[in-house]
Amino acid sequence: DQQVKQNSPSLSVQEGRISILNCDYTNSMFDYFLWYKKYPAEGPTFLISISSIKDKNEDGRFTVFLNKSAKHLSLHIVPSQPGDSAVYFCAAFSGGGADGLTFGKGTHLIIQP
Amino acid sequence: GAGVSQSPRYKVAKRGQDVALRCDPISGHVSLFWYQQALGQGPEFLTYFQNEAQLDKSGLPSDRFFAERPEGSVSTLKIQRTQQEDSAVYLCASSRDSNYGYTFGSGTRLTVV
Repeated sequence: DQQVKQNSPSLSVQEGRISILNCDYTNSMFDYFLWYKKYPAEGPTFLISISSIKDKNEDGRFTVFLNKSAKHLSLHIVPSQPGDSAVYFCAAFSGGGADGLTFGKGTHLIIQP
Repeated sequence: GAGVSQSPRYKVAKRGQDVALRCDPISGHVSLFWYQQALGQGPEFLTYFQNEAQLDKSGLPSDRFFAERPEGSVSTLKIQRTQQEDSAVYLCASSRDSNYGYTFGSGTRLTVV
């Protein structure tokens, strides 16, 4: 059973527009969430995170929103740029649980010129 | 070093062969993690070290998998009697303290034939 779900395998967005990547989770013990970005043949790169005590965290063009009641988070990228084309992974962590992150399967974001 | 270094980048092993994958974490990083990423999936947690202590190995899929970090820096993931289902990218990550936003290496792509 997948505890972190990214239901869109791919997403295509025009350059300059907003990209919205979604993530749902089932484990209510998760209390910290992260987004990673991955280019081909490279390891994932940390992008932005949010604690469960917050509902929004912003860093430049990237904003993560957390809706705890819906067990849903989203990553907004605005404006989208060609270099944003990559696979984005949502990950979750439970401070009281195992020490590893639980990842979703990823969403391949394609920014079209 | 500047980043997490993993070697080899690619490894082809015949079924039944033993392999050893190496990870050089960022200097001074206390925490070290190993993940397995199968094709089309997100990374899955294998094991976690804090310095030389292996605090969590709950993700290791079988007793053919063994990890060590004897001096609290370089780590080796060993897979004995490799099987085809072991084919994946093995990612190592390190962080200064805990889970938050740790740095991944580029991974070792293992193909078992």
